[in-house]
Amino acid sequence: DADVTQTPRNRITKTGKRIMLECSQTKGHDRMYWYRQDPGLGLRLIYYSFDVKDINKGEISDGYSVSRQAQAKFSLSLESAIPNQTALYFCATSDKSSYEQYFGPGTRLTVT
Amino acid sequence: GESVGLHLPTLSVQEGDNSIINCAYSNSASDYFIWYKQESGKGPQFIIDIRSNMDKRQGQRVTVLLNKTVKHLSLQIAATQPGDSAVYFCAENINSNYQLIWGAGTKLIIKP
Repeated sequence: DADVTQTPRNRITKTGKRIMLECSQTKGHDRMYWYRQDPGLGLRLIYYSFDVKDINKGEISDGYSVSRQAQAKFSLSLESAIPNQTALYFCATSDKSSYEQYFGPGTRLTVT
Repeated sequence: GESVGLHLPTLSVQEGDNSIINCAYSNSASDYFIWYKQESGKGPQFIIDIRSNMDKRQGQRVTVLLNKTVKHLSLQIAATQPGDSAVYFCAENINSNYQLIWGAGTKLIIKP
């Protein structure tokens, strides 16, 4: 079984719709992250959480919100989706004593 | 803007030859560097890392070299195999804040 899972894996939605992407992990890590990846670009950090009560904005948080429901779950919401939020979204986790991050398989989101 | 970047977006290498992927960074406070491999349709996977107090680190078939004088990082893959085909990302951490800043990636193509 995968250590970091993301649902859905693919999603097509319309402009203005609210959408939630979910991430779950079985690694027991305290830290979780949400990134977006655009074609030909590296990963950009949207939000990160160092524990259940600690949530921080990343480089590109505008238009997104997150919820850390439990140590193992971190969800990303697009309040009102727009076409330039079309991208590949990755969730990652890390242990608090390590820089190494473990990634989920990604969610491909298309906003029409 | 991004402080981590790559010299070559695409690198073609003959199977069996060595591959060298380069990365430049601009922040003198960068204290940790990491290389990830991303295969098509998957999330990034850890390859190797290096702290700023080191200039070389070796793993299985991979070596990372760090030149702090010119702020340059390289990943060397020995005896490149078809399974090495992927996009390779370098990332850095600044001031031990546990957030990774990612480069744009280099696509490695293996020629038979």
